[in-house]
Amino acid sequence: EVQLVESGGGLVQPGGSLRLSCAASGFTFSSYEMTWVRQAPGKGLEWVSYISPSGNAIYYADSVKGRFTISRDNAKNSLYLQMSSLRAEDTAFYYCARVQQRTDYWGQGTLVTVSS
Amino acid sequence: QPVLTQSSSASASLGSSVKLTCTLSSGHNIYIIAWHQQQPGKAPRYLMKLEGSGSYNKGSGVPDRFSGSSSGADRYLTISNLQSEDEADYYCETWDSDTRVFGGGTKLTVL
Repeated sequence: EVQLVESGGGLVQPGGSLRLSCAASGFTFSSYEMTWVRQAPGKGLEWVSYISPSGNAIYYADSVKGRFTISRDNAKNSLYLQMSSLRAEDTAFYYCARVQQRTDYWGQGTLVTVSS
Repeated sequence: QPVLTQSSSASASLGSSVKLTCTLSSGHNIYIIAWHQQQPGKAPRYLMKLEGSGSYNKGSGVPDRFSGSSSGADRYLTISNLQSEDEADYYCETWDSDTRVFGGGTKLTVL
């Protein structure tokens, strides 16, 4: 069974940093593309970042470019999102998701709240 | 990059059928999309991949009541024999070489 479990969310002050993690199991993690998608409270889904299976190809949404860094550790079956210079508008549930062309599995999400 | 347009809301009666629409922006009408369901308070769930030809592949455990079809730039999700648990937000997704895009979502109310 494919499982994606996010962690690392919490309350952070504007301008602060946070690192999200996603533990993957039930599939060969190193063979799959992965993404982060976020959802502000009461709003729709917004793609944040993508990473290829080897980590050689990485892309970001314009809204987070230069502030967020996606990475993965295939030996640990883990995906990460390092977030810095956080703003109030970054407040959202952050979902880790597996990609096979389309997104085909989602994690349960972790809430990031940026507030003073 | 592609843009996906969805109606903000839809409603239908218990036991009836409903057809939700996701429209691709001009010049992108051959793109493949995916449909996702998000029940209240839950994470999204993948429903199906839908091609411009109308061919679709559903995710594991997705009921037979869910089907897909296409016409030009429009991609459809049809839910038959509506159940109370189908009340949810439905999102379409597509992708390009260096970006991924979601539609704004359709909130489905089961009357």
